[in-house]
Amino acid sequence: DIQMTQSPASLSASLGETVTIECRASEDIYNGLAWYQQKPGKSPQLLIYNANSLHTGVPSRFSGSGSGTQYSLKINSLQSEDVASYFCQQYYNYPLTFGSGTKLEIK
Amino acid sequence: EVQLVESGGGLVQPGRSLKLSCAASGFTFSNYYMAWVRQAPKKGLEWVATISTSGSRTYYPDSVKGRFTISRDNAKSSLYLQMNSLKSEDTATYYCARHGVNDYLDYWGQGVMVTVSS
Repeated sequence: DIQMTQSPASLSASLGETVTIECRASEDIYNGLAWYQQKPGKSPQLLIYNANSLHTGVPSRFSGSGSGTQYSLKINSLQSEDVASYFCQQYYNYPLTFGSGTKLEIK
Repeated sequence: EVQLVESGGGLVQPGRSLKLSCAASGFTFSNYYMAWVRQAPKKGLEWVATISTSGSRTYYPDSVKGRFTISRDNAKSSLYLQMNSLKSEDTATYYCARHGVNDYLDYWGQGVMVTVSS
C-alpha cells in the first residue's frame, strides 16, 4: 500500500498570509494526487486533482504543485472561510489512501 | 447540481449487519464509478469501497474485504454498502462519493453515522 505522510498536523496563520501544506508519498504516484477541504461538521470537498488542476468553483488562491513523491497545497491570501482540515489522497494505485490531515486555524 | 444523499445509518451491535444507501441525482449515475469513504470520530479519512459503472468490478481495502459489499442499481441511481460482521472499529461517518475521470472523488454526500456498540 502507498503511505501518505502529510505535514504539518496543525497550522495557525494570520488573515492574508500564505500557507503551504505538504504531502509525501512512499513511492512515485505520478501526479495521481488530490487535495480536499473539510470544514467543521461538513463533508470533504475536492479542491485539486492531478496534483495541480483546480476543481470547478474552487477559488484561485488555492494551488497545487509537486511531482514524484512530493506534493504541496498552497493557499494565498488566507481568508476566514479557509478554516478547515485539509487532506491529500493518492489515486495512482489501489487501495486509495489519504494523508492524516492538516488542521488550519486563524491566528 | 450533483447531489448524493446517504441513509440507513444507526446504532448496531457488534457482529450484526447494516445496509447503507446513497441516492444520486443531478448527473448520469450509470456513467460514473462510485465509492464509500468513512471517517471515525475525530479521525482521518479511510477509503472503504469502489464500484465500476456496471457493477462488474469492485475494490476494497483489506480492513473490510470479505465483510463489506458495495453494489449499485443504475435504474434507481442508487449506491449501497452492505456491512456484515460489524466491529467497534467500523464506527464512523460513512460518505458516498463520486469518482472523477481518474480515481479522485469529485462530489461527496453529507454522510451517515454508523455506531457499532453493545
